Amino acid sequence: GAGVSQSPSNKVTEKGKDVELRCDPISGHTALYWYRQSLGQGLEFLIYFQGNSAPDKSGLPSDRFSAERTGGSVSTLTIQRTQQEDSAVYLCASSLAGPWQFFGPGTRLTVL
Amino acid sequence: TQLLEQSPQFLSIQEGENLTVYCNSSSVFSSLQWYRQEPGEGPVLLVTVVTGGEVKKLKRLTFQFGDARKDSSLHITAAQPGDTGLYLCAGPRSDSGYALNFGKGTSLLVTP
Repeated sequence: GAGVSQSPSNKVTEKGKDVELRCDPISGHTALYWYRQSLGQGLEFLIYFQGNSAPDKSGLPSDRFSAERTGGSVSTLTIQRTQQEDSAVYLCASSLAGPWQFFGPGTRLTVL
Repeated sequence: TQLLEQSPQFLSIQEGENLTVYCNSSSVFSSLQWYRQEPGEGPVLLVTVVTGGEVKKLKRLTFQFGDARKDSSLHITAAQPGDTGLYLCAGPRSDSGYALNFGKGTSLLVTP
């Protein structure tokens, strides 16, 4: 497809388990962003990749969160030892230049 | 972190009515963006305002950027049920390239 895709669309896991969320950006987009959207907190920035530069991880809430971007395209967000407060919708966005970002549909994560 | 406050938080109106939602900050932004998000979807960019005092129109939607570039408003004329959604304003994080800080949004419901 032409848009940003994310998988899975829904993920239910048990507290303490690790999860991986995947993002396929729009082809050719050099920038990729991860955000988290939860009730009461709105959309929060997590991490930002731009080309081959070191990622900006300043939004990651704890060291249980990490992300990588392979080959400048697909990105995976990993949450280790999930906690109930990690339950949220995780959104990925990509952009070619400037702040104009295109968002995927998100992955809804539920930690039981 | 540059905070964006949106008001009202919720708005329920009937088809045909006019409405205005607001996005305010104590910080100056180089630009502000407005997004609309529907349930189960990622945010979709509506407009970017860049110049203080700028007014942009998108069909029945009118966006204004404050003269001091600290606030913005979105006015919808003759609202329709298709306008229902979560309206988010966002501005560039001052410390992270083009990653965005989002307001918590205004949830709009337009009933026939």
